[in-house]
Amino acid sequence: DAKTTQPPSMDCAEGRAANLPCNHSTISGNEYVYWYRQIHSQGPQYIIHGLKNNETNEMASLIITEDRKSSTLILPHATLRDTAVYYCIVRVARGNAGNMLTFGGGTRLMVKP
Amino acid sequence: GAVVSQHPSWVICKSGTSVKIECRSLDFQATTMFWYRQFPKQSLMLMATSNEGSKATYEQGVEKDKFLINHASLTLSTLTVTSAHPEDSSFYICSAQGNNEQFFGPGTRLTVL
Repeated sequence: DAKTTQPPSMDCAEGRAANLPCNHSTISGNEYVYWYRQIHSQGPQYIIHGLKNNETNEMASLIITEDRKSSTLILPHATLRDTAVYYCIVRVARGNAGNMLTFGGGTRLMVKP
Repeated sequence: GAVVSQHPSWVICKSGTSVKIECRSLDFQATTMFWYRQFPKQSLMLMATSNEGSKATYEQGVEKDKFLINHASLTLSTLTVTSAHPEDSSFYICSAQGNNEQFFGPGTRLTVL
């Protein structure tokens, strides 16, 4: 699976949009971009994933560049409860056959009042 | 969404004893479950992939005789840390594969005295 690069930490003001970047310049054509987050002392939580089109759900939006070498996770109105480590992961979706996730360092997002 | 539980959520044990951690998928069947370990201020590291009805696949550097994994049913995988030592103290997290996604448990914090 392709390696990702994320800034180690970011701050965001409460109520503002949080834009978390991720570089995945070696991504393959069949690899998806996944985002998870981990709040302190909890298990990771799935946020969103996409292949090449932009995606939006109730938690966030995912913007993938046309060349797919980078993406941005957008939390439109960050709250204090969004303070967490955000992981960008690229992997092939192989159905229920099982495919491990490789976690990098992630970005520690601190939402401040 | 799919729910994965872990039991216990935390455990303290004496050095030399064995500890069993359970991972259950509550509302879906998972042929594949994964076990991760996370040390303080570090990312998740995959320990092993657990497949129902077959032997687990361990990552390099993980001792299979120390970390016993059993996946006897489609909803339950167990990790037993045998002869635990203080360096085994960590946050152990499982995940279950379902509907092309991985769902994580809340984690088990093991402290070995």
